[in-house]
Amino acid sequence: DTGVSQDPRHKITKRGQNVTFRCDPISEHNRLYWYRQTLGQGPEFLTYFQNEAQLEKSRLLSDRFSAERPKGSFSTLEIQRTEQGDSAMYLCASSAGTAGNQPQHFGDGTRLSIL
Amino acid sequence: AQKITQTQPGMFVQEKEAVTLDCTYDTSDPSYGLFWYKQPSSGEMIFLIYQGSYDQQNATEGRYSLNFQKARKSANLVISASQLGDSAMYFCAMRGIDDYKLSFGAGTTVTVRA
Repeated sequence: DTGVSQDPRHKITKRGQNVTFRCDPISEHNRLYWYRQTLGQGPEFLTYFQNEAQLEKSRLLSDRFSAERPKGSFSTLEIQRTEQGDSAMYLCASSAGTAGNQPQHFGDGTRLSIL
Repeated sequence: AQKITQTQPGMFVQEKEAVTLDCTYDTSDPSYGLFWYKQPSSGEMIFLIYQGSYDQQNATEGRYSLNFQKARKSANLVISASQLGDSAMYFCAMRGIDDYKLSFGAGTTVTVRA
């Protein structure tokens, strides 16, 4: 069990640029989640995959955001035309099975800073 | 929809003492799960403990225990014998029966003093 891996750890970019983050879940986990966390706040849900299917998207996920999970393994989160308000920590989590007591295991996150 | 409230923005505790972190929640789901996570300054979210709404006993996991009072809709985390490494942000979260996403509170910062 190598844990959830996220890349990059930090990303600094200029406003208006596109950015893409990658998440590799724990290998046997079929569920994958993206959250966004701003300074001093708890994480907020963005989107959720079961295998390769994206089953739920938050209203926070504007049309500039897109997430994929091809082949049900790793996932990418892309932000197009970044804005100052996109500066945050982007957390990926994964979980196994269907039981409600299965915890979500989080990666170390990608911290995005928009100049 | 679920709502989690953590009213203590920050707490100080002496090493080796116990500390209780408050968490209240609101939901219309008849069945739900409550989770606590620890987030050190390095950023990773670490799962600590889980309590199901129909569990008869309060959850315990090592030095962590959950004081679950369903009628009051509270799920307080107790950390016993605090250690310097316990200094971190602690988040309470919940998930409804038909839901997969977690709803988090704003967190409580714990600082353990030597």
